[in-house]
Amino acid sequence: SQQGEEDPQALSIQEGENATMNCSYKTSINNLQWYRQNSGRGLVHLILIRSNEREKHSGRLRVTLDTSKKSSSLLITASRAADTASYFCATLSSNYQLIWGAGTKLIIKP
Amino acid sequence: GAGVSQSPRYKVAKRGQDVALRCDPISGHVSLFWYQQALGQGPEFLTYFQNEAQLDKSGLPSDRFFAERPEGSVSTLKIQRTQQEDSAVYLCASSTRTGVTEAFFGQGTRLTVV
Repeated sequence: SQQGEEDPQALSIQEGENATMNCSYKTSINNLQWYRQNSGRGLVHLILIRSNEREKHSGRLRVTLDTSKKSSSLLITASRAADTASYFCATLSSNYQLIWGAGTKLIIKP
Repeated sequence: GAGVSQSPRYKVAKRGQDVALRCDPISGHVSLFWYQQALGQGPEFLTYFQNEAQLDKSGLPSDRFFAERPEGSVSTLKIQRTQQEDSAVYLCASSTRTGVTEAFFGQGTRLTVV
């Protein structure tokens, strides 16, 4: 069964705008990871945030984690057409098993 | 190799046929995972190997599913007597350690059972 829930399920924005996606989960975690999936490249790891971290940056990506609310957000700034993809959060609660949400489908309009 | 490689990329099987899906992980990666992904959903865990040992197969949906990694590198996921509900993308991932760090995914095998 899936632990995470991403919201929104789908998001369509203009190129250059910022995109924000949210993820909620149910159990305590070791870390939370965000992945991107498109038909060309499969699932690609974007960023990992540990349970004792609150915010992390990587290029145009900013991830926040609120363990008290069991939620995380992914912000993509200055979106590009190439950012069009599905974005998934995955939580690690045991030693090895990643539990995934259903994903947010992001469309960047030129 | 440079990344995780899966073959075949696409497989069409007649209901009742047996299929074998192959995964070549990144060289030296200890951990290997198989996931099943239905259309519009996130991946669902199937099974986990640490080297050649299958430490968790709790996600395998039935005893028709079998996975092995005999030499701790290449892995094969076998599905016997395929049924329509087995149609999905099967993803393989590997990582250097047991899930603490990022997992590297293959492109997946899209299985369609007709």
